[in-house]
Amino acid sequence: TQLLEQSPQFLSIQEGENLTVYCNSSSVFSSLQWYRQEPGEGPVLLVTVVTGGEVKKLKRLTFQFGDARKDSSLHITAAQTGDTGLYLCAGVPSSDAGNMLTFGGGTRLMVKP
Amino acid sequence: EPEVTQTPSHQVTQMGQEVILRCVPISNHLYFYWYRQILGQKVEFLVSFYNNEISEKSEIFDDQFSVERPDGSNFTLKIRSTKLEDSAMYFCASSGVLAANNSPLHFGNGTRLTVT
Repeated sequence: TQLLEQSPQFLSIQEGENLTVYCNSSSVFSSLQWYRQEPGEGPVLLVTVVTGGEVKKLKRLTFQFGDARKDSSLHITAAQTGDTGLYLCAGVPSSDAGNMLTFGGGTRLMVKP
Repeated sequence: EPEVTQTPSHQVTQMGQEVILRCVPISNHLYFYWYRQILGQKVEFLVSFYNNEISEKSEIFDDQFSVERPDGSNFTLKIRSTKLEDSAMYFCASSGVLAANNSPLHFGNGTRLTVT
């Protein structure tokens, strides 16, 4: 069982559609980070959510941190082909005294024109 | 914007050979990391490095692996005797403060290691 479960694993939609991807865990996190990774590149940070219930917006992307700080979601409005990529959530569990940022398995999004 | 650079972008080696993957982290960062991503799988933590020593390592980071900061700018990952299953993308990352303290990691574009 992965510490961070992301769903769906794959998503293929048409340009202009809305979508939501999820990052779930049974562990509590002090924060969760969302990254986007494009082919041949390293992950790039999109946002960090810190407070339970927090909502952060980045243009057409809306990130939410669950009240219990065990889950997060990413909603994209009116998807564009440029949104295509691998979306990763990552965090360090609150119970972990270490510094190991653990990644979920990712959601691979393809937006078709 | 400062970035993490990794060389080479692609390394092909024969099983049993030693490889050294090189990284230049962002200059004022203090924490350095190596992650790997086997094709089609998740990004996995290997090791973190701070103040010239390993601060944390995963089960993957066994005795075949070592890291070094040989000078003020480079951060290297050495695999002593490569195995087929070491084939993966290896990402270097750096951060200004602890990842656990909500600090974002800045990743390089990776080295694709192919072991034949």
